[in-house]
Amino acid sequence: SQKIEQNSEALNIQEGKTATLTCNYTNYSPAYLQWYRQDPGRGPVFLLLIRENEKEKRKERLKVTFDTTLKQSLFHITASQPADSATYLCALIDSWGKLQFGSGTQVVVTP
Amino acid sequence: EPEVTQTPSHQVTQMGQEVILRCVPISNHLYFYWYRQILGQKVEFLVSFYNNEISEKSEIFDDQFSVERPDGSNFTLKIRSTKLEDSAMYFCASSPDRVRSGEQFFGPGTRLTVL
Repeated sequence: SQKIEQNSEALNIQEGKTATLTCNYTNYSPAYLQWYRQDPGRGPVFLLLIRENEKEKRKERLKVTFDTTLKQSLFHITASQPADSATYLCALIDSWGKLQFGSGTQVVVTP
Repeated sequence: EPEVTQTPSHQVTQMGQEVILRCVPISNHLYFYWYRQILGQKVEFLVSFYNNEISEKSEIFDDQFSVERPDGSNFTLKIRSTKLEDSAMYFCASSPDRVRSGEQFFGPGTRLTVL
């Protein structure tokens, strides 16, 4: 069956450091992979989309890589700030637009 | 900035009752979705809707669930006879296209509590 795995342990990081989150998937051949941010009690907010033919994508302090051979995406938050504290969700999108989410990794940035 | 809105923010109901959750997607979007998130669990796809019909539905979306776009602006999810396990946060999402840009815009959610 299809699986999307994210580290379930919270990532505690000091302000200014780089947070790196991992998303692994099995039994998928996705053309696209997305990252969302979710704050407690709120809906997911889109951050970045990366296509299978793109190795890396950047947006401000965010960077995503996509390795279809390893079936893995890495999500980096550079120069992290306390406002970056949230749960970050990896999602694979199928040809109908359906999103399959991972369980998310909580990031806690301390001053 | 346009946003997806959902009402109510919190709905409490008795088991076996019908509930209707309402969403107003972003006005020029064509694709609409419902997802749910049981407390502490992942966000799960329920159904996608395009051109006034269901495009895809998950195995969660059984005969107790239905969706409708009654008037060109609202998008509703109906649960005919609620069960305890339907308690969850329900998110509506909309998108201008299916995959090309990929971004889905999520509403703030409706917290459904079934007693």
